[in-house]
Amino acid sequence: IAGITQAPTSQILAAGRRMTLRCTQDMRHNAMYWYRQDLGLGLRLIHYSNTAGTTGKGEVPDGYSVSRANTDDFPLTLASAVPSQTSVYFCASSDSEAGDEQYFGPGTRLTVL
Amino acid sequence: GQNIDQPTEMTATEGAIVQINCTYQTSGFNGLFWYQQHAGEAPTFLSYNVLDGLEEKGRFSSFLSRSKGYSYLLLKELQMKDSASYLCAVMDSNYQLIWGAGTKLIIKP
Repeated sequence: IAGITQAPTSQILAAGRRMTLRCTQDMRHNAMYWYRQDLGLGLRLIHYSNTAGTTGKGEVPDGYSVSRANTDDFPLTLASAVPSQTSVYFCASSDSEAGDEQYFGPGTRLTVL
Repeated sequence: GQNIDQPTEMTATEGAIVQINCTYQTSGFNGLFWYQQHAGEAPTFLSYNVLDGLEEKGRFSSFLSRSKGYSYLLLKELQMKDSASYLCAVMDSNYQLIWGAGTKLIIKP
């Protein structure tokens, strides 16, 4: 089934632990994105990648890192989780970065205690 | 700074028409998107406007005025399944989407 998947669906994590959120798309899209969504706020861009091998920082990159070794996968790593990183994380992809609609994964609900 | 404003919540009646407004101030403009998000689910694409005017797609229409920094999403013949949040997003000069906080639409029978 074509689309974008994320894992895990939800996770409770102790502060200070390292965590990687996984994202895979099978649409051969060039661009991929990581957002966080918090109550009362719009989606905020954490990191993005316009093509395999390149990444860039979004609006709220601190405490997060990404890699884009191939077209399909775009993992997001929290090196040392803090409670303020409690959020719903969405991965998205688009054919290009310029004006194409973004397709979203189902999201990961992360709680940091 | 960059800013997207839309009402927090709106209520409408099944079968009626509702207009959700969005105003924006961004560094550059490369188009405006509307997404629908049901509770607990991912956003899904509704419409894209880059030129001034009205784009119609079935029961949903989206309007853009670049000179006024204004857009609206018009939903006709409302159905209960239209109860959701509607997100306005503007693509800035760096081709990054700047998102509004969303408008929660409640449909009453």
